[in-house]
Amino acid sequence: DTGVSQDPRHKITKRGQNVTFRCDPISEHNRLYWYRQTLGQGPEFLTYFQNEAQLEKSRLLSDRFSAERPKGSFSTLEIQRTEQGDSAMYLCASSSAPNEKLFFGSGTQLSVL
Amino acid sequence: AQSVTQPDIHITVSEGASLELRCNYSYGATPYLFWYVQSPGQGLQLLLKYFSGDTLVQGIKGFEAEFKRSQSSFNLRKPSVHWSDAAEYFCAVGVIQGAQKLVFGQGTRLTINP
Repeated sequence: DTGVSQDPRHKITKRGQNVTFRCDPISEHNRLYWYRQTLGQGPEFLTYFQNEAQLEKSRLLSDRFSAERPKGSFSTLEIQRTEQGDSAMYLCASSSAPNEKLFFGSGTQLSVL
Repeated sequence: AQSVTQPDIHITVSEGASLELRCNYSYGATPYLFWYVQSPGQGLQLLLKYFSGDTLVQGIKGFEAEFKRSQSSFNLRKPSVHWSDAAEYFCAVGVIQGAQKLVFGQGTRLTINP
């Protein structure tokens, strides 16, 4: 169990640029989640994959956000035309079953200038 | 809609003292309840969870929590804190229907005095 890996750890970008984050879940986990955490708040659910299928998306996920999990392994989260309000910690988590515990990665901290 | 309230944003206790972190939830059905801990630079780690059964739940690192349906509460306790317990603690309520979609509280930051 190597844990959930997220890359990069930090990303600084200018407003209007596109950014992409990567998440590598625990290898045998077929469920993968993206959450967003802003300063002083708890994480908020963004989206969820079961294998390669994206089964649920939060209303928080605007059209500028897209997530993929092409082969049911790693996942990417892309934000187009970033805005300052996108500045947050983006957390990835995985699990092996609906009621099994989530393993969280350390997150990608995005700063939009 | 589900919601979680953690009334205390910041708590300071002395090492060796007892700890109780408060959590109140709002949910229409029997809730799935969780406590997570987040240390700087670390991912969220599950301390304990309640799905059903015994309302007193034991977790890792000596933590326990008690589910009280009448009070819509799920408070976290530890009889004697250690300096390494300093961290941010999050209570969460979950919907588990194919996915473990959690709604988190805003967190309680715990500081330990030596």
